[in-house]
Amino acid sequence: DVKVTQSSRYLVKRTGEKVFLECVQDMDHENMFWYRQDPGLGLRLIYFSYDVKMKEKGDIPEGYSVSREKKERFSLILESASTNQTSMYLCASSSYRESREQYFGPGTRLTVT
Amino acid sequence: DQQVKQNSPSLSVQEGRISILNCDYTNSMFDYFLWYKKYPAEGPTFLISISSIKDKNEDGRFTVFLNKSAKHLSLHIVPSQPGDSAVYFCAASDHSGYALNFGKGTSLLVTP
Repeated sequence: DVKVTQSSRYLVKRTGEKVFLECVQDMDHENMFWYRQDPGLGLRLIYFSYDVKMKEKGDIPEGYSVSREKKERFSLILESASTNQTSMYLCASSSYRESREQYFGPGTRLTVT
Repeated sequence: DQQVKQNSPSLSVQEGRISILNCDYTNSMFDYFLWYKKYPAEGPTFLISISSIKDKNEDGRFTVFLNKSAKHLSLHIVPSQPGDSAVYFCAASDHSGYALNFGKGTSLLVTP
């Protein structure tokens, strides 16, 4: 069974703080993704990575950066958190060779005050 | 611009009846389509998928239909059960196979 874990289920941070969201997958997947989910907007892609040290911008990369130093780990970084980054953050992984299905973690509910 | 559209934000169906969730897409390069189910405070879970070379795929109570000429797909759930109450996301990808484009979701409520 594929397992994608995220470091926190709930997180509360103050405006201007640097925030790290960690994601780990145990299936040796090449691809990893960060999405945010907001009511009425669905899932929007922030960044993705198809290999170690590789990253590609998604639809809404502004205000975020990512890091992938190891194949199993993909980090999302909010350099200076703002209230409009309050959201549910979802990490996913996939192996294109097997299928295009993405496996999601449980999500991190981030509140920026 | 939203390339995958789910125009019904919500749907209510009685237990035992059929639930039909619809999805439209605009990008003719999409060749693979997926449905995900999401409960509150959980990540989405994969439900069923279909390749553009097919027009139907079944898995138990779930069937996805694809109409390429209309750029439309639908998810049928028969019979609907209260445990099916969740938000359903339609997603599509092109041949690059990396990112999925998601719709905004349809919240399904199955009432006893």
